[in-house]
Amino acid sequence: DAGITQSPRHKVTETGTPVTLRCHQTENHRYMYWYRQDPGHGLRLIHYSYGVKDTDKGEVSDGYSVSRSKTEDFLLTLESATSSQTSVYFCAISDFGRQETQYFGPGTRLLVL
Amino acid sequence: QQQVKQSPQSLIVQKGGISIINCAYENTAFDYFPWYQQFPGKGPALLIAIRPDVSEKKEGRFTISFNKSAKQFSLHIMDSQPGDSATYFCAASYAGNQFYFGTGTSLTVIP
Repeated sequence: DAGITQSPRHKVTETGTPVTLRCHQTENHRYMYWYRQDPGHGLRLIHYSYGVKDTDKGEVSDGYSVSRSKTEDFLLTLESATSSQTSVYFCAISDFGRQETQYFGPGTRLLVL
Repeated sequence: QQQVKQSPQSLIVQKGGISIINCAYENTAFDYFPWYQQFPGKGPALLIAIRPDVSEKKEGRFTISFNKSAKQFSLHIMDSQPGDSATYFCAASYAGNQFYFGTGTSLTVIP
């Protein structure tokens, strides 16, 4: 998985609680992305980062926030989890000048009860 | 709405046969069209990609056919093998950062 780790790998939480997912890379790639994968929807981009402290919204950003204080870490926060945010979350990375070539992490399976 | 439409949802092919998965898009600003392969419990992995200035790209048993005027592109897997059984996603992007994925095709290759 191209030097990408995600933590936790599995999480069960309750509606209304905050949740933070972490993506860590050892590739020193500039770009990092958060996707969610749901049956019937494929993968949908939540947020992405094009550098430290530089982030932008994706297709389905409502209810999510991100932060990137170091090149290697990209955090995804669900401020107040809802059942509709039950999903598998994937982090991806790509390098400057080759940002179209994305490498995906192993995923985090999140269940919101 | 779905920016990239993918079909079929599932596909069963005999070993040695040809697997064909189709995708269509509307946004003519898209300038990069990758295909990803995903095995259960794993993240997607880039398989092959094409830009709209060529009509076909081949890598081993995998070929992308691209029809710019019809706004369609397809993945052909020749001599399909049981190890090719996976979920395949097409995608499209512009400016190298906004990616839109199809809904996926579950391919099963029967020995």
